[in-house]
Amino acid sequence: DQQVKQNSPSLSVQEGRISILNCDYTNSMFDYFLWYKKYPAEGPTFLISISSIKDKNEDGRFTVFLNKSAKHLSLHIVPSQPGDSAVYFCAASGTGANSKLTFGKGITLSVRP
Amino acid sequence: ETGVTQSPTHLIKTRGQQVTLRCSSQSGHNTVSWYQQALGQGPQFIFQYYREEENGRGNFPPRFSGLQFPNYSSELNVNALELDDSALYLCASSATKGTAKNIQYFGAGTRLSVL
Repeated sequence: DQQVKQNSPSLSVQEGRISILNCDYTNSMFDYFLWYKKYPAEGPTFLISISSIKDKNEDGRFTVFLNKSAKHLSLHIVPSQPGDSAVYFCAASGTGANSKLTFGKGITLSVRP
Repeated sequence: ETGVTQSPTHLIKTRGQQVTLRCSSQSGHNTVSWYQQALGQGPQFIFQYYREEENGRGNFPPRFSGLQFPNYSSELNVNALELDDSALYLCASSATKGTAKNIQYFGAGTRLSVL
């Protein structure tokens, strides 16, 4: 029973264009959502997060949108750069500090020069 | 400020053996979580340690055990290794206070191969 789903295994975009990575969740108890980026032979690196009380959070080229009624979030990267090519994981946690993270399977993003 | 460090980076064991993986948490962090990442999957939560006590456990058998030390570093022990234990083991540290209290920061992981 996968509670966090990243249904598209891969995405390829042209440099300079927008990358949109999607994530769906089923557990309504999740109230904090995070995106991590992972390069080969490295651990996941925290990118951006959003609390369930917000519907948008922006940090430079990265914006995360949350639609609670649809149990859907998305990560927008604008403009995309070749260095953004990596695996992106969506993760969710429940209430309280340091609740465990539940991850999706990840999306491999390739940004073509 | 040092990040999360894990050792060793790679390990090869045979079925039935025991293994210990180590993790040093990021400076200022008092909580350590361990995750298992199988090939093609997202990380799966094994357990978490806070103030040297287990503070939550995922769906893993008792042969997966851990420790946290007074300096907040941690160990993951796996007994009676099985072939399916082959995976990347990730350690993450986090704080219980402050604006980043919900964010876990990961080490590079230990790649375990069980033959």
